Amino acid sequence: AQKVTQAQTEISVVEKEDVTLDCVYETRDTTYYLFWYKQPPSGELVFLIRRNSFDEQNEISGRYSWNFQKSTSSFNFTITASQVVDSAVYFCALTQKTSYDKVIFGPGTSLSVIP
Amino acid sequence: EPEVTQTPSHQVTQMGQEVILRCVPISNHLYFYWYRQILGQKVEFLVSFYNNEISEKSEIFDDQFSVERPDGSNFTLKIRSTKLEDSAMYFCASREVPGTHGTQYFGPGTRLTVL
Repeated sequence: AQKVTQAQTEISVVEKEDVTLDCVYETRDTTYYLFWYKQPPSGELVFLIRRNSFDEQNEISGRYSWNFQKSTSSFNFTITASQVVDSAVYFCALTQKTSYDKVIFGPGTSLSVIP
Repeated sequence: EPEVTQTPSHQVTQMGQEVILRCVPISNHLYFYWYRQILGQKVEFLVSFYNNEISEKSEIFDDQFSVERPDGSNFTLKIRSTKLEDSAMYFCASREVPGTHGTQYFGPGTRLTVL
């Protein structure tokens, strides 16, 4: 079975704090892709990152970083020095070789950054 | 930067009425998708479309739903007889890379309200 779990439903942090959003996935495929999408209050889904199952290298993009660990089936997302504009719902997602067409989303984590 | 567009941004309809949600995918993309997000819930896959036919659909996508690519640029989702539970945000997405894997880029969504 394929599934994405985001155990944190809501997180509140004060501006400039670091925050990590957790994501745990389940899949039987050995070839799969993991994603993070951001949904700001305006409602659109903004693509942040894609990672394939063969590349466990961590990635940093500005204040964003991602930690992919196959051993624990996790793909966590850290925002460093959070800003109010980071307030959004963040979705972790999965596609797998048996069904590349279907993006399986986690339930999302609502992040509020308080000034 | 090219993006997926959707119209209208908000549609209000009476139960039992037909609605058509419209999408213009990114121009060189070949795979098209519809997803649904009921308020406060996760994003769910509805259907994928390639080469003028449905390639995969979920159990949500029943006989009340249909998709069409009426011309070279538009991709539509029709709900024949809307129900209250069809109220949701509907996202269109498109993907470029055929045969292998690519990222799905999402439009801004259409919020459908069924009264």
